[in-house]
Amino acid sequence: AQSVTQLGSHVSVSEGALVLLRCNYSSSVPPYLFWYVQYPNQGLQLLLKYTSAATLVKGINGFEAEFKKSETSFHLTKPSAHMSDAAEYFCAVMANSGYSTLTFGKGTMLLVSP
Amino acid sequence: KAGVTQTPRYLIKTRGQQVTLSCSPISGHRSVSWYQQTPGQGLQFLFEYFSETQRNKGNFPGRFSGRQFSNSRSEMNVSTLELGDSALYLCASSWRGKDNSPLHFGNGTRLTVT
Repeated sequence: AQSVTQLGSHVSVSEGALVLLRCNYSSSVPPYLFWYVQYPNQGLQLLLKYTSAATLVKGINGFEAEFKKSETSFHLTKPSAHMSDAAEYFCAVMANSGYSTLTFGKGTMLLVSP
Repeated sequence: KAGVTQTPRYLIKTRGQQVTLSCSPISGHRSVSWYQQTPGQGLQFLFEYFSETQRNKGNFPGRFSGRQFSNSRSEMNVSTLELGDSALYLCASSWRGKDNSPLHFGNGTRLTVT
């Protein structure tokens, strides 16, 4: 069975500071990995996905994530936080099983202060 | 291209009633999945449909059911509503429904059971 662990239910940064949101996964086979963002009263928006083509994945809004197989991690980063980045972020894993079922982490709320 | 459309956005029902939620996927997408989001349990997979067939099912009671029509639109039904069914129900569609084809989410239906 797969699982995803997101360290920290809340992360606070100042505007302009580095954003680092942590995600570790557990999977018996190399999985597909995704980061989604959710703004209040909205659905989930895809930020980026790991497809095994490259370990460093660039997404929308300046976010990127690095796949590290040895650490079973897929941390999300952004060099400089903006107020508009305040939202909840979800890491998710999809098994290479022929289904498109996502297993989500519990989410990390990013708070950005001026 | 229009995104995933879910109707209605908000629903208030009474315990014991039943409810039907609707989802129109992105044009050309053949896979539709449903997720339940609650503060306590987070995002949990309900079921996935592909070409009108239920392909995968999460760990939910039989009161939760769904179907997919020939035009890929999907509905989910919850019978004999319980207070614990109060949640945001998210529908997602994907093109191939497998591999690393990402899921695209709608804005959800907020169900409140009183």
